This record gives sequence, C-alpha cells and structure tokens, in this order.
Amino acid sequence: EDQVTQSPEALRLQEGESSSLNCSYTVSGLRGLFWYRQDPGKGPEFLFTLYSAGEEKEKERLKATLTKKESFLHITAPKPEDSATYLCAVLLSNQAGTALIFGKGTTLSVSS
Amino acid sequence: NAGVMQNPRHLVRRRGQEARLRCSPMKGHSHVYWYRQLPEEGLKFMVYLQKENIIDESGMPKERFSAEFPKEGPSILRIQQVVRGDSAAYFCASSPRAPGDSRGTEAFFGQGTRLTVV
Repeated sequence: EDQVTQSPEALRLQEGESSSLNCSYTVSGLRGLFWYRQDPGKGPEFLFTLYSAGEEKEKERLKATLTKKESFLHITAPKPEDSATYLCAVLLSNQAGTALIFGKGTTLSVSS
Repeated sequence: NAGVMQNPRHLVRRRGQEARLRCSPMKGHSHVYWYRQLPEEGLKFMVYLQKENIIDESGMPKERFSAEFPKEGPSILRIQQVVRGDSAAYFCASSPRAPGDSRGTEAFFGQGTRLTVV
C-alpha cells in the first residue's frame, strides 16, 4: 500500500537551532514531492515541489532535498515565526495518481 | 490576484441536514481538488474535477457526498443527510495544469470550511 510517513511528529527547537524534517515514501512511482506549511486554522501554503532525486530547492531559511525514497526539509537558524505544521505530499505515477497523498505532518515549535 | 476562496469558513448543521461547501479557484485555474482533514489525521483526497467533469472521485464516500464544478460559478461539495462523523475541515485546492504536467502541477489551497454537525 502506498504510504507517506513524516518524522518526527513534533519537534521543539530553540531559535537559531537548525534541524531537519523527514518525509519517507513507499510508492510504486513518483511524479513529484511537495512540501506545504500549515498554520492552525488555515489552509496549507505551498512551499516547494521536487521532481527528481538529487534536486534541491531553497526559500529563505528552508531547503528541501529529495532522494529516491525520502525528502528532507532543512531549517537553518529557525525563528519563532517558522512555527507551524509542515506537510509532505507525493503525486503518484499510477493510474489513480491524480491527486496529492499527504503525510500527517511534523509540528514545529520554535521558541525564542 | 485572489487566492482560492472557500465559503463559508464555518458551517454548523444538525444531523440529517444538507451541507453545501463552495470553492472558487484561483483565476486561470481549471483543476479543482477537495480534501478532508480530521483532527490528528492528514489531508485525505476526496475528488478531482476539471470544468464540468469529475476526473477522479476515488476518495469520495459512495453515499451522501457529491461534487460538481460547473462551467460558470464555483465548485460545490454537497453532503446530504449529514452525520456527526462528517464533522471536519474541508479544503479545496486549485491548479492551472493537470497532474503530471511537465510545467509543474502545484496545487494552491483555500482556507477551508470547518463543518460541525450537532
């Protein structure tokens, strides 16, 4: 069964303490991997799309990387405003792969 | 350029009533997705529509749920005879291109409709 697993479920960091979030997937084919940020009571906000192993994307303090079986979201010197739930999703290449399949997310808390 | 607009933001219905959730995609987007999010669970795909057509409804419950995306107007997710288990946040997302398009298929989400069934 296709599955997207994110770890850890929750992460507490001090301001400036860099870390990484993991998204692993067991899928029969991948057309793309997406990262979103979700604040409480809001809809997911698009961050990155990665299409092939070895690809990297950066935006401010965030950098996303992709291998054949997992993706990492690296957060460098985080600030309290980076606190949110980060969602990973995959787009499959099989016949039923018309929509994103999401993991349960990693809830990040950054304290000053 | 307005983002994906969903209304209402909050909806309270009594058991047995109908719930109608509306979604206006971003300008120029003809692909719409509906997702449901329950507490402590991830976003679950329900249905994918392209103007006037249902492309994939594999995540939609077989009974009581229906969706449409008419030529004019917003996409509608309709839940008939609601039950307490339907209480959740329902999100709509839109994209300018079909899944797998080599030009990119990012989907942009609305703020959601939070349905409470009492």
